Amino acid sequence: DIVLTQSPGTLSLSPGERGTLSCRASQSVSSNYLAWYQQKPGQAPRLLIYGASSRATGIPERFSGSGSGTDFTLTISRLEPEDFAVYYCQQYGSSPWTFGQGTKVEIK
Amino acid sequence: EVQLVESGGGLVQPGRSLRLSCEVSGIIFDNYAMHWVRQAPGKGLEWVSGISWNSKMIGYADSVKGRFTISRDSAKNSLYLQMNSLRDEDMALYFCAKSISHVLVAGTMYFDLWGRGTLVIVSS
Repeated sequence: DIVLTQSPGTLSLSPGERGTLSCRASQSVSSNYLAWYQQKPGQAPRLLIYGASSRATGIPERFSGSGSGTDFTLTISRLEPEDFAVYYCQQYGSSPWTFGQGTKVEIK
Repeated sequence: EVQLVESGGGLVQPGRSLRLSCEVSGIIFDNYAMHWVRQAPGKGLEWVSGISWNSKMIGYADSVKGRFTISRDSAKNSLYLQMNSLRDEDMALYFCAKSISHVLVAGTMYFDLWGRGTLVIVSS
């Protein structure tokens, strides 16, 4: 199974700052089949990014994804108050489809 | 409006069974593979099982293989998860989720629509 390790575990930032979240895979992710999700307390996850860098429908441009192989990054260019949440990466290049353990972005 | 609404969760003793349901509306149910993803209290996400549009392709996580059975009913636009021999570690919020394709194929197994989840508590 591909293990995804996200870092940092918690990111403390102020609104307006840039957030950079990392997702590292234990082996290369086939064709960069990597997605990012946002989850707020008491809510279902929301798809942000697929294919490592494609924004899902309705996702603001301040969210961007990059990377390839085993190293991937989610960048939030300027944090808005509604962006404080937990973010998960997921690989869908080989079964079983696995998730990282999450990065919590909290208000500093 | 697209909706995925889970039900069937509750308190169950270890070793017993439970059946979860997910009613889907607002999309053409037969066009998509469907999945169950769970989240243990305070933990991350774990894909549990997926089923293709015609039920011919089915997959399970190793942690539930042999104990859980996924199924779907096109006439009712519904997805199900039969959970037998429940263990403490199965306690979680179970989400119903839709992937973008009708089959279970690498490259399409990300989830663009999710329900709000149904909580399964396993305790004696």
